[in-house]
Amino acid sequence: NAGVTQTPKFRILKIGQSMTLQCTQDMNHNYMYWYRQDPGMGLKLIYYSVGAGITDKGEVPNGYNVSRSTTEDFPLRLELAAPSQTSVYFCASSYGAEGSETQYFGPGTRLLVL
Amino acid sequence: AQSVTQLGSHVSVSEGALVLLRCNYSSSVPPYLFWYVQYPNQGLQLLLKYTSAATLVKGINGFEAEFKKSETSFHLTKPSAHMSDAAEYFCAVTGNTGGFKTIFGAGTRLFVKA
Repeated sequence: NAGVTQTPKFRILKIGQSMTLQCTQDMNHNYMYWYRQDPGMGLKLIYYSVGAGITDKGEVPNGYNVSRSTTEDFPLRLELAAPSQTSVYFCASSYGAEGSETQYFGPGTRLLVL
Repeated sequence: AQSVTQLGSHVSVSEGALVLLRCNYSSSVPPYLFWYVQYPNQGLQLLLKYTSAATLVKGINGFEAEFKKSETSFHLTKPSAHMSDAAEYFCAVTGNTGGFKTIFGAGTRLFVKA
């Protein structure tokens, strides 16, 4: 049981480039999330998904897109990278959406936009 | 609306000393409260959570937290710090509207001195 896996671990992008951050979970969780973590700011929700084919915006969605074609995968797309998107990105999943549900996190992708 | 405040971005203790990490929350609905730990270069993992059962919650690695409604607090403690406890700790709050409304605190980095 690998849990939540993310690739790549680290990436440097030039301004205006695009990339996709991959996220896969093998726990058959319906709910998946993308967060960004900035120093001293905690985690901010970018997008979430309640199941295959269903996604919705979180707190900071601008500059990002997501898709959910399968239960397992939830990629995050950056179309035109900007320095403000330099951050650490975490994917997470949970079995349900009740407030008491534990979220399971991947190891993160560190992105630097220059 | 919900919010979380973690007092102290950095806390330093000696090995064997008491660990106390402070978390205060605000919530217009009965909250679910979490402590997550993040070891270097890893994702967050659940330490413990309060889900309206016992107010004193025991977690992994000897940590515990007490929910105090009158003080709107959920402080994390451990009687005796170990070098392996050095990490960043996040307090989080969720209402009954779902996990995608989880609000994370800014985090407290714990240093343990030999």
